Amino acid sequence: QEQLQQWGTGLLRPSETLSLTCAVYDGSFSGYYWTWIRQPPGKGLEWIGEINYRGDNQFAGTKYRPSLLSRVTMAADTSKNQFSLSLTSVTAADTAVYYCARGVGYSSGWGNYYYYLDVWGKGTTVIVSS
Amino acid sequence: SSELTQDPTVSVALGQTVTITCQGDSLRTYYAGWFQQKPGQAPVLVVYNNNKRPSGIPDRFSGSYSGNTASLTITGTQAEDEADYYCNSRDSSGHHVVFGGGTKLAV
Repeated sequence: QEQLQQWGTGLLRPSETLSLTCAVYDGSFSGYYWTWIRQPPGKGLEWIGEINYRGDNQFAGTKYRPSLLSRVTMAADTSKNQFSLSLTSVTAADTAVYYCARGVGYSSGWGNYYYYLDVWGKGTTVIVSS
Repeated sequence: SSELTQDPTVSVALGQTVTITCQGDSLRTYYAGWFQQKPGQAPVLVVYNNNKRPSGIPDRFSGSYSGNTASLTITGTQAEDEADYYCNSRDSSGHHVVFGGGTKLAV
């Protein structure tokens, strides 16, 4: 059973850079959408972005939430089975629990597509405060 | 459209059946996943690919589709099913991922 273990800085001051890493254990890194999601206090889930590796372990691209496009970067180190999130110039609005997750997506063969997030990290609480 | 719409709260009596819905244009192309989240815990996938359950998820959880609406049904609701439920899929372009606003289920 694949597991995701995440870590990173939990307390930041405004304008600093948030950095989180997620390690993939007991599973393949290729063929999935490695995803970051956050949840502000008392609110719903918010997709931040994903980094995609094809089945042959080749980098296939990143996609980011449009509202975060200017501040977010995702990267991966396939030799370590790890992927990371960097979010610059944080403000109090970035205070949230951040989750890493594994996304699965493929065509059904009938014009529809399957997509789901099947494995999640436990979450990292990030607080931005002066 | 890039939105998935859920009812904010739903109530159900113990042992009864409840259906939680998720509506969005992208659901005509992309199947939704359903997640259960209890306070202080990470979300857990309970239904995916229309009506499949991950290992360990009770068979009282099931999914269905009609047009642009995905539904999660809990048959014989238990007290431990009280939680927040989120649907999730890709947007109509396929380039981004969207979540519903969540439904708080009171048992």
